[in-house]
Amino acid sequence: AQKITQTQPGMFVQEKEAVTLDCTYDTSDQSYGLFWYKQPSSGEMIFLIYQGSYDEQNATEGRYSLNFQKARKSANLVISASQLGDSAMYFCAMREGPGGAQKLVFGQGTRLTINP
Amino acid sequence: DTGVSQDPRHKITKRGQNVTFRCDPISEHNRLYWYRQTLGQGPEFLTYFQNEAQLEKSRLLSDRFSAERPKGSFSTLEIQRTEQGDSAMYLCASSKGSRVAIRDTQYFGPGTRLTVL
Repeated sequence: AQKITQTQPGMFVQEKEAVTLDCTYDTSDQSYGLFWYKQPSSGEMIFLIYQGSYDEQNATEGRYSLNFQKARKSANLVISASQLGDSAMYFCAMREGPGGAQKLVFGQGTRLTINP
Repeated sequence: DTGVSQDPRHKITKRGQNVTFRCDPISEHNRLYWYRQTLGQGPEFLTYFQNEAQLEKSRLLSDRFSAERPKGSFSTLEIQRTEQGDSAMYLCASSKGSRVAIRDTQYFGPGTRLTVL
């Protein structure tokens, strides 16, 4: 069963606008972590932001914030004031635990293109 | 702080040849992971080491694949008798091993892109 679903294959946004990238997940664990990574065309996966299932506040890191809705099992990434350098693939990933596997399970990604 | 490094960055080989990739994790990270990413997909987990012990292996890791981390530092991933289906980006990641397991963040290297002709 698909554990992480990213329904937007591609998004096109004007520079300086905010953008929301969707991510829904499926797990029966009460304890899990959700991660977002950015992958530019160079290929490296860059860690952006983390949200734990027990965290009461939505995570924020600079221009990145996470809209975490536990009951809906969604963890959408919000990028404020988008920049040309934000153009990349974005992946949502989940880690179950603490007794679960150490691996991250990734979605299929969303390609974000920022237009000048 | 030096990030995760991988070598080579690109490898082109002929079907049936053996290839070996190297990964150097962030220093003091005791956990190391290998993932494979095919075009248009997210990375898929292959295997995981804690120090020198290989603790998890995916069923994706067929018997043609072997990974080692001999002294708990760098790791190698070898593919024997390569097939065209092995063409992919091979990503290595490392993590510190957080006390709170679910928030143990994995940091990735630049990847090795393998093309099997």
